[in-house]
Amino acid sequence: DGGITQSPKYLFRKEGQNVTLSCEQNLNHDAMYWYRQDPGQGLRLIYYSQIVNDFQKGDIAEGYSVSREKKESFPLTVTSAQKNPTAFYLCASSGEGQAQPQHFGDGTRLSIL
Amino acid sequence: AQSVTQLDSQVPVFEEAPVELRCNYSSSVSVYLFWYVQYPNQGLQLLLKYLSGSTLVESINGFEAEFNKSQTSFHLRKPSVHISDTAEYFCAVSHPWGGAQKLVFGQGTRLTINP
Repeated sequence: DGGITQSPKYLFRKEGQNVTLSCEQNLNHDAMYWYRQDPGQGLRLIYYSQIVNDFQKGDIAEGYSVSREKKESFPLTVTSAQKNPTAFYLCASSGEGQAQPQHFGDGTRLSIL
Repeated sequence: AQSVTQLDSQVPVFEEAPVELRCNYSSSVSVYLFWYVQYPNQGLQLLLKYLSGSTLVESINGFEAEFNKSQTSFHLRKPSVHISDTAEYFCAVSHPWGGAQKLVFGQGTRLTINP
């Protein structure tokens, strides 16, 4: 079945550490997205990528970095510069065009040790 | 700028009762509208979408939403809820953004079904 796989499901970060969240899709979608979800705040866009080797900052990109070396993969690194990283992170992808819905993975919950 | 307001953060209802989850949006251009559902510790799943045409759209599990352009609303309704409908529901508006699609989400409404 086609879909989006995020790993790990739970992740713990120590102070000063960078951690990387994995996102893989087999839907053949060009566009991929990373969101952060905090209770009562809905979803906020961190980064998005329309095509391989290209990505753009979203609304809350500070303290995060991404890469898009392959169409199927869009990993997110939470750097030590992100001072409040505890959240639920969701990866999504979509086909071409504004009318296409986004498909979501099951998320990674990041906590601070 | 586009924005989405979900007027209720929590909605408790009894099983088999009707429910309405309210969503209002602001936009200066034509938009596409979506409702997503999120079960605990999972990602979002598309519930239904309005792109064009009939203003009433339906999902396969009994939910429906009506696009009202004059009131800039896209409320979600179900005539009789089940325990399994307990989840968080997000309304979203899509608009073009630098050649890509940007989804702007509301804050979510937590639907709790009581037996």
